Amino acid sequence: SQELEQSPQSLIVQEGKNLTINCTSSKTLYGLYWYKQKYGEGLIFLMMLQKGGEEKSHEKITAKLDEKKQQSSLHITASQPSHAGIYLCGALTQGGSEKLVFGKGTKLTVNP
Amino acid sequence: DAGVTQSPTHLIKTRGQHVTLRCSPISGHKSVSWYQQVLGQGPQFIFQYYEKEERGRGNFPDRFSARQFPNYSSELNVNALLLGDSALYLCASSFAGGSETQYFGPGTRLLVL
Repeated sequence: SQELEQSPQSLIVQEGKNLTINCTSSKTLYGLYWYKQKYGEGLIFLMMLQKGGEEKSHEKITAKLDEKKQQSSLHITASQPSHAGIYLCGALTQGGSEKLVFGKGTKLTVNP
Repeated sequence: DAGVTQSPTHLIKTRGQHVTLRCSPISGHKSVSWYQQVLGQGPQFIFQYYEKEERGRGNFPDRFSARQFPNYSSELNVNALLLGDSALYLCASSFAGGSETQYFGPGTRLLVL
């Protein structure tokens, strides 16, 4: 079965610093999703990447997909306390499937 | 526009009881998926329904069942509750399934004592 490994597991940064979260898949990626979750709450959709080399940005968050490495990265520029939360990557297990497999998440703390 | 809604928000049950969780998808969305998230882990896929038919099932025991109604809302039922069923249950909807983006509800937190 497909597994997603996220690194680091947790991250504490000072406000204004840049940071990167990585997500590596054990199998071929058919689609890679990034979500953000506040503790105990639902998931907020951030971005979806489908094609190798694809890069998407929203405000200060940029996500890239490296299909060959079966890896995606999420980069936050000039972090703010509002960026704090748990970042989860999710991948489709096969083409046409809606079943998402998730990593365990990266807990981000941004200190003012 | 209303997002995915779930009810109840919190629930406390005892072992052996059964529970029904409800989900209303975003208007126009026809696909609903259910996930279980245990503390400290990522969500795990339980079921997917599209047009009232089961399209996918995760590795969960038969105590877990679900259905989708003509208005595309969905119910997740869990029988003979175990302590290990304590988790956040998330519902997600998408327009037509497949690789379409899934939008998640706020979840139902179930505690089994």
